[in-house]
Amino acid sequence: GESVGLHLPTLSVQEGDNSIINCAYSNSASDYFIWYKQESGKGPQFIIDIRSNMDKRQGQRVTVLLNKTVKHLSLQIAATQPGDSAVYFCAVSHSGGGADGLTFGKGTHLIIQP
Amino acid sequence: DVKVTQSSRYLVKRTGEKVFLECVQDMDHENMFWYRQDPGLGLRLIYFSYDVKMKEKGDIPEGYSVSREKKERFSLILESASTNQTSMYLCASSLSSFLNTEAFFGQGTRLTVV
Repeated sequence: GESVGLHLPTLSVQEGDNSIINCAYSNSASDYFIWYKQESGKGPQFIIDIRSNMDKRQGQRVTVLLNKTVKHLSLQIAATQPGDSAVYFCAVSHSGGGADGLTFGKGTHLIIQP
Repeated sequence: DVKVTQSSRYLVKRTGEKVFLECVQDMDHENMFWYRQDPGLGLRLIYFSYDVKMKEKGDIPEGYSVSREKKERFSLILESASTNQTSMYLCASSLSSFLNTEAFFGQGTRLTVV
């Protein structure tokens, strides 16, 4: 099966700096990757996704990088703002993996220092 | 926008009670999921369903059952609530088993069993 790990349970950054959150996965057949943001007391919200035929995808202030060789995924947040404070999860799935959906990492809590 | 709605934000139940957690999605998604979320353990899959009246066990089904009588509604049932079922419960839905797409989450139900 798949296992998904995050390197740091907590990351503290200064407001305005860039943040990088990392994730590692185990199954080389994984081909779909998502980052979620979960604010306190709320359900996870989709931020950005990437498929295995790409190695980089950009959204508004966020970039996801995928390195399939080392099975590593990262989320970069540019110019971090107080509203970015949340727990960030990566999630992974693979085609033909069945309806049981995504495997989630445990999350990194991003703390923004003023 | 996809909407996944859980019937309660907060619930307090007594040990031994039968508890129903309801979830409704409005985008005709095939797949629906129930997770529980605990500090340090991340999201763990309890049950999922890929069609009406179909259900499959996830990673931690013990003490739970589910019902999917209509496509848009997926219910989680705690037959006899216990204190170790105190947790945040998250419902999610996704489009199809044949497509890798993101899961959309409800806002969560924080259940306390006393």
